[in-house]
Amino acid sequence: GIQVEQSPPDLILQEGANSTLRCNFSDSVNNLQWFHQNPWGQLINLFYIPSGTKQNGRLSATTVATERYSLLYISSSQTTDSGVYFCAVPAVTQGGSEKLVFGKGTKLTVNP
Amino acid sequence: GAGVSQSPRYKVAKRGQDVALRCDPISGHVSLFWYQQALGQGPEFLTYFQNEAQLDKSGLPSDRFFAERPEGSVSTLKIQRTQQEDSAVYLCASSLSGGGARTEAFFGQGTRLTVV
Repeated sequence: GIQVEQSPPDLILQEGANSTLRCNFSDSVNNLQWFHQNPWGQLINLFYIPSGTKQNGRLSATTVATERYSLLYISSSQTTDSGVYFCAVPAVTQGGSEKLVFGKGTKLTVNP
Repeated sequence: GAGVSQSPRYKVAKRGQDVALRCDPISGHVSLFWYQQALGQGPEFLTYFQNEAQLDKSGLPSDRFFAERPEGSVSTLKIQRTQQEDSAVYLCASSLSGGGARTEAFFGQGTRLTVV
């Protein structure tokens, strides 16, 4: 099945710094989602980005589907950005429907 | 409601006890998914509903796990005779169309199950 790899696994920043998180996937996909899992466990939608670039405030994402990767940029990081960032892509299940396959995530810690 | 709602947020069960986890999806969403998230890992697929039909249960780890969505809205994930390895966060997600994972999915807060 499709493999999703995220890097780096851990990232520690000082408040105000910028960062880039990467998501590689092993097969072609027709969509990709980025999520932020906050310390309380909630998965929050950041981007639904099959291809191209999107921006939302201090966050932006780029997916290059032909090269099988996506990047999440966080600028001027804040302590509230801390948590785990996941990317997920669809894949066919053994039962013939589609599910999201997640990477293992990037754990981001932003220190004041 | 405005988002996907799950209850309870936390559940502690004694080994061998049955538990029921509830998911209230976004109103009008056709697709509903259950995922299991072990500590330090990404969520893993359990089962998929399109309206009231359970189209896929290939991710359910054993026959102790059972899910239903009888009226095409609220869903319940039931785990019978819980074991310690069932301890995890159980996440529910819904999406607007019936296209499986091809459309944007929205997740609930999860239920953290601890089996002691």
